[in-house]
Amino acid sequence: EVQLVESGGGLVKPGGSLRLSCAASGFTFGSHSMNWVRQAPGKGLEWVSSISSTGTYKYYAESVKGRFTISRDTAKLYLQINSLRVEDTAVYYCVRSEYHSSGDWGVWGQGTTVIVSS
Amino acid sequence: QSVLTQPPSTSGTPGQRVTISCSGSSSNIGRYNVNWYQQIPGTAPKPLIYSDNQRPSGVPDRFSGSKSGTSASLAISGLQSEDESDYYCVAWDDSLNGYVFGTGTRVTVL
Repeated sequence: EVQLVESGGGLVKPGGSLRLSCAASGFTFGSHSMNWVRQAPGKGLEWVSSISSTGTYKYYAESVKGRFTISRDTAKLYLQINSLRVEDTAVYYCVRSEYHSSGDWGVWGQGTTVIVSS
Repeated sequence: QSVLTQPPSTSGTPGQRVTISCSGSSSNIGRYNVNWYQQIPGTAPKPLIYSDNQRPSGVPDRFSGSKSGTSASLAISGLQSEDESDYYCVAWDDSLNGYVFGTGTRVTVL
């Protein structure tokens, strides 16, 4: 079964750091670009970051550039989030890119919750 | 931030057809494929349409997508109660060098 399982979320103070992980199974992880998408409470979806299948190319939303770092190894996707702000509070989804076109995201994890509060 | 504009809500009775618009610009929809996602609040989004008008395996043919110029649309024919969800469009944006989502549309089945 194709699966993405996020972990690493939690309650953190403003200015703090977290490292989110996403464990992939059931498919050839190294063949897919991967992404992080987040959703603040009661708000819409927001793309956060993408990484190519080899890890060579990385892209970030303006709102997180310089604070978030996406990376991957042979079976996991990561998101290092530093200098956390209250507005980073959200459910963070790990998402697999498909081959058809850009933004074609066929597999989503269940999400991990990050709460930034003093 | 959302660069693609969708109506906040729409509604219909069972069996009706509803459409959701997604308005963008030449740097996103006008140049790149549009994809649509369905989200029941509290759950992960589910892919609905990719490459403007293609349905992933398992998505009912009641759902269809189209695009013209810098706007795209999602149509739901034969509306069913289980279609009550939030719907989002997304596309790559050249000027932002990233993906942009639509503002989201809540569909209510009356």
